Amino acid sequence: DAMVIQNPRYQVTQFGKPVTLSCSQTLNHNVMYWYQQKSSQAPKLLFHYYDKDFNNEADTPDNFQSRRPNTSFCFLDIRSPGLGDAAMYLCATSRPGGAAKANIQYFGAGTRLSVL
Amino acid sequence: SQQGEEDPQALSIQEGENATMNCSYKTSINNLQWYRQNSGRGLVHLILIRSNEREKHSGRLRVTLDTSKKSSSLLITASRAADTASYFCATDDSNTDKLIFGTGTRLQVFP
Repeated sequence: DAMVIQNPRYQVTQFGKPVTLSCSQTLNHNVMYWYQQKSSQAPKLLFHYYDKDFNNEADTPDNFQSRRPNTSFCFLDIRSPGLGDAAMYLCATSRPGGAAKANIQYFGAGTRLSVL
Repeated sequence: SQQGEEDPQALSIQEGENATMNCSYKTSINNLQWYRQNSGRGLVHLILIRSNEREKHSGRLRVTLDTSKKSSSLLITASRAADTASYFCATDDSNTDKLIFGTGTRLQVFP
């Protein structure tokens, strides 16, 4: 089945130790998103790619970086995780203007990051 | 902030009862979506309603949209314990590829 896959599901890192989260998709969607979601809150968009074009949100800390080497994969790098970066990280894809002519997003199951 | 507001923040009901959650948004929209999120999982798209539609049904889901009041409601009829989840509305951020999510409603359905 076509889907969005995030690895790992759970990630534990140490304060200040770089960590990379990965996302892959088989939907062939041209847009990929990274969200941060803290407990009982809405997802907060960090950045997204439209094809190779990177779009950073104004309030995304420099500590967060992203790479999209090809259509199928996208990575979230946290260069120096702090305690406040502990959260669920969600990857999503979409193909705006598709059959529904709307931005329906398809989410992975998420990676829960713990920072010790 | 452009973030939409949802109410109630939390809702607890018995199986078989109906659940209604409301969403208010701030900007003009092309469409509004509802997503569901089970605990510890990603969001799943449930239903989309366009700005020129007033009501839409999908199975036990009924969505209404009032663009004059910038509000929408999601009704889940004959709820089941498996409907326990958080529900988010989302509007398109015009001229971008982004969605604006509401604050979410946590629904608990007791058997």
